[in-house]
Amino acid sequence: DSGVTQTPKHLITATGQRVTLRCSPRSGDLSVYWYQQSLDQGLQFLIQYYNGEERAKGNILERFSAQQFPDLHSELNLSSLELGDSALYFCASSVGVSQETQYFGPGTRLLVL
Amino acid sequence: QKEVEQDPGPLSVPEGAIVSLNCTYSNSAFQYFMWYRQYSRKGPELLMYTYSSGNKEDGRFTAQVDKSSKYISLFIRDSQPSDSATYLCAMKGQAGTALIFGKGTTLSVSS
Repeated sequence: DSGVTQTPKHLITATGQRVTLRCSPRSGDLSVYWYQQSLDQGLQFLIQYYNGEERAKGNILERFSAQQFPDLHSELNLSSLELGDSALYFCASSVGVSQETQYFGPGTRLLVL
Repeated sequence: QKEVEQDPGPLSVPEGAIVSLNCTYSNSAFQYFMWYRQYSRKGPELLMYTYSSGNKEDGRFTAQVDKSSKYISLFIRDSQPSDSATYLCAMKGQAGTALIFGKGTTLSVSS
């Protein structure tokens, strides 16, 4: 158990809908990262927050957004969902801002029908 | 050319074998190198972390980095069925740059 928690574990929704994924980092970690994992693309970095501020952006679509709250938990919002958004979404956390050692949560499996 | 290349396998070995997993990369700015293990339907778990070139050993696992060849390896000695998983290499450059993952190699160890 990495100490990172994610909810929900599974999510099934329809195209065009909006969903929110939630992540709680390990105790003491200030950085939260979001990743998307699909069979063809592998694990892709989406976005990083450090102590409430956005620090780095990867291949995140404009339909996706994230935020980190004062208690350091983070939410990833996915809107106008498409079939191709079906994937595993992972949250990871680290102590500092520099991303070297990241600890991953169990993931949320999203299926868009 | 992708930044990080990793043979997807699958790689099948008998219990007790020595396993070699490899990644190549193209970005000479990468300085931090990691190996993650991911069991089916679970999140990646950090196995090994190496800065710059050299070897690092932890129990049955040895990580090697050869920056001159842009090549990293993970060796697993005395492999066990519990080592059956997907192994992801990951690497990054200076602070503030993103962690780039390989697509993973699926390993199966049979008893």
